[in-house]
Amino acid sequence: SQTIHQWPATLVQPVGSPLSLECTVEGTSNPNLYWYRQAAGRGLQLLFYSVGIGQISSEVPQNLSASRPQDRQFILSSKKLLLSDSGFYLCAWRDWTDWNTEAFFGQGTRLTVV
Amino acid sequence: TQLLEQSPQFLSIQEGENLTVYCNSSSVFSSLQWYRQEPGEGPVLLVTVVTGGEVKKLKRLTFQFGDARKDSSLHITAAQPGDTGLYLCAEAKLTFGGGTRVLVKP
Repeated sequence: SQTIHQWPATLVQPVGSPLSLECTVEGTSNPNLYWYRQAAGRGLQLLFYSVGIGQISSEVPQNLSASRPQDRQFILSSKKLLLSDSGFYLCAWRDWTDWNTEAFFGQGTRLTVV
Repeated sequence: TQLLEQSPQFLSIQEGENLTVYCNSSSVFSSLQWYRQEPGEGPVLLVTVVTGGEVKKLKRLTFQFGDARKDSSLHITAAQPGDTGLYLCAEAKLTFGGGTRVLVKP
């Protein structure tokens, strides 16, 4: 069966520090991968998605970047965090063959920038 | 990017009451998904609707897809405290709406 791992679960970082969040998927090949940010009680803002290794689409210009160095690994990064980068970050994967299939989400990372 | 608007933003009801939440767009959806999210967790899929006019039922939840495929609704009958959560709609490219936070009080 497929599983998705996302870590760390919580993170407190000072303004100006770098960020690296990692997401890995097991049990599937060539998944579509997604990074979202969520403000408290609100919807998911799509940040990046990837349909293959090295292929990254950015939905919102911002202080973040994403990379996909391996088929089932998706990394969210920042060189210098801003206070506004605080939020709940979610990684998700979906089968590349059908856009109507279910998206599966990781447990999320709660990032607080202080 | 297709914009999805959800309403209301927040709904608080008593156990046993009915509720309806909405998801709308100015563009046609190729398909639409409804997810529910509990605090501190990722969203979980409830249903996918594809055909205009489609109605799907999942126990006490009824999902409708508008004939023109520009809107959808989720109706919960006799809501229970376990229905509490954030309800999100998403279009085919996994762009989400702003969500409706539902609180069912016992």
